[in-house]
Amino acid sequence: QLVESGGGLVQPGGSLRLSCVASGFTVSNNYMSWVRQAPGKGLEWVSVIYSGTNREYPGHTEYTDSVKGRFTLSRDNSKNTLYLQMNSLRVEDTAIYYCTRGPTGYPNWFAPWGQGTLVTVSS
Amino acid sequence: DIVMTQSPDSLAVSLGERATINCKSSQSVLSSSNNKNYIAWYQQKPGQPPKLLIYWASIRESGVPDRFSGSGSGTDFTLTISSLQTEDVAIYSCQQYYSVPTFGQGTRLEIK
Repeated sequence: QLVESGGGLVQPGGSLRLSCVASGFTVSNNYMSWVRQAPGKGLEWVSVIYSGTNREYPGHTEYTDSVKGRFTLSRDNSKNTLYLQMNSLRVEDTAIYYCTRGPTGYPNWFAPWGQGTLVTVSS
Repeated sequence: DIVMTQSPDSLAVSLGERATINCKSSQSVLSSSNNKNYIAWYQQKPGQPPKLLIYWASIRESGVPDRFSGSGSGTDFTLTISSLQTEDVAIYSCQQYYSVPTFGQGTRLEIK
């Protein structure tokens, strides 16, 4: 199970930190992603953090181009929690943000998904 | 990035009838190394997160009813619901994981 929190209303240029607590599996041993869905739009992959057991790139992070340099994905192994630090937020970042897992690596299909947390960027 | 295009955007089917949703990728997602198509399908009901239905283009996720099936290869894929049930009303999306993950725009399925 995945439970997200931290969403809310923020002005353009502001910051938010999203959290995703996992139960039933260990975040650090999995490839964890954030996927977002703008209102009435399709799904968009945002970011991934590699499993700590990846031989070549443990903990490596990747981002979609539109958030590079603004978003940072990290995890706290002691809390089994994933974080997405979002800075310099733009109106176009408005979306429901889902935490999810790639069961066998990256890139991968995604399962399970959290319920999502809504981020609204507006003045 | 690989662009995924679904058709139709919306679909209305009678209960018990077959529903077919198409997905086309802008380049092949068939791997020559393992002969697998890197396609997944999701179901998303209102106010809920996506739910994985199918991966490797045709493998049903555990617990998914067998009325759901996936087919296709290369750039053209299909999700078929053999006999539409009330609980199947949802938006269905395809996803490729051959490279940086990308999703189709979604197909809204309704009861006629």
